[in-house]
Parts: sequence; structure tokens; C-alpha cells
Amino acid sequence: EPEVTQTPSHQVTQMGQEVILRCVPISNHLYFYWYRQILGQKVEFLVSFYNNEISEKSEIFDDQFSVERPDGSNFTLKIRSTKLEDSAMYFCASSPDYLQNIQYFGAGTRLSVL
Amino acid sequence: ILNVEQSPQSLHVQEGDSTNFTCSFPSSNFYALHWYRWETAKSPEALFVMTLNGDEKKKGRISATLNTKEGYSYLYIKGSQPEDSATYLCAYHPVNDYKLSFGAGTTVTVRA
Repeated sequence: EPEVTQTPSHQVTQMGQEVILRCVPISNHLYFYWYRQILGQKVEFLVSFYNNEISEKSEIFDDQFSVERPDGSNFTLKIRSTKLEDSAMYFCASSPDYLQNIQYFGAGTRLSVL
Repeated sequence: ILNVEQSPQSLHVQEGDSTNFTCSFPSSNFYALHWYRWETAKSPEALFVMTLNGDEKKKGRISATLNTKEGYSYLYIKGSQPEDSATYLCAYHPVNDYKLSFGAGTTVTVRA
């Protein structure tokens, strides 16, 4: 069964460093999302992406964050200069359409900023 | 910010017993309510997408109901098994908004 894959499963970085979180969505899906969950909090929306551009972003998704779909298969989230408060589980999701909007999630990347 | 609440936060169930828990969400401008099952270190697995008031969905021993007028959904697990142990997340989105707003989850632990 097709699945969303995310790499790495765990990323440890120093404050101020850049990180790139990678996702391979399900191949025929058109809508892509990043969410995150800070330990002990709810899963929260970061950004949605459709037709090679951002369709919506949350307040969290400031200038330090960017997304790309560089080659038609990968979908990446970049954090330019990580802060301690960026430590969280980051989930990628993809959806084939917006009508039912079933979002299929990857297993997440745990980002630890030291 | 759309307020989605789940209760209880956690529950322990004896194997073979049935259980249920709730998700509440804004009733205005409703489009869909999603239920996910999430085991540690795995991907959240989509269980149900519910869109119509009065909807009931079933997958094996797990079922869900939806009341959009009062803004709540119940998830039921019949005859709980240890493999049902997981965190169950509900997520809501209104019309013309495709991002999901999640509840905090209900963590179910089934004791053998």
C-alpha cells in the first residue's frame, strides 16, 4: 500500500543551524502539508502546498521556514536558523483531492534543537 | 484558532470490554471530521472521514458517529484488544479550509 515516507526519523541539531526535513508523498497526490507537534501539545498546521506553491501558511510559518518540491517527488521543509522552540515532531501529509480531503501522514521526523 | 477538544485524555480498558470517547468541534461552517489512529513511532492512520450529520461509520470493531448540529463525534471500540492500544486523534476542518485542526487525542491502553 502506498505510504508517505519521511527522513530522517530523528534529527539533532545545534541552535542556529539549518535543517532540511524530507518527505516523499504518495505519488499521485496533489495536496501537501506540514504539521508539527510540540511535546505535550496538539498537532498544529504549518503550511499547505498545491500546484507548486504555498496555498496557506500559519503564523508559526515565518521567514525562517520554507518548503519546496524540487523534483516532483520530494517535498521538503527547511528551517534556516533553528531555535530551541522548534524542537517538535514534524509530520508531512499528502492528499489526492480536496473533496474528501483524506490526508495521509508520514511517521514524522523528531527534531531536537540543542 | 478552531477549538477541537477530546475527552478523556486517556483511558485504560480491560481486554474484551467496550469503550467510547468524544471529540467536540465548532458546529458552524462544518465540512468534515476525521478520526486517526496513531501508534507510537508509526504514521497516524486515517480511520474515518465523516461529513454528514447523523453519519455512522464502521471499520471492524471500531465505529464512529457524528452530530454536526451540536458539534460532537463519538468513537466506539467494541471488545477491545491489546492491538487497539493507541492514541486516537480527531481533526476538523470547516468549509473552504483544508488544513486540519486537531484535538489533543485520547490515549487508549488495553490491558490483557
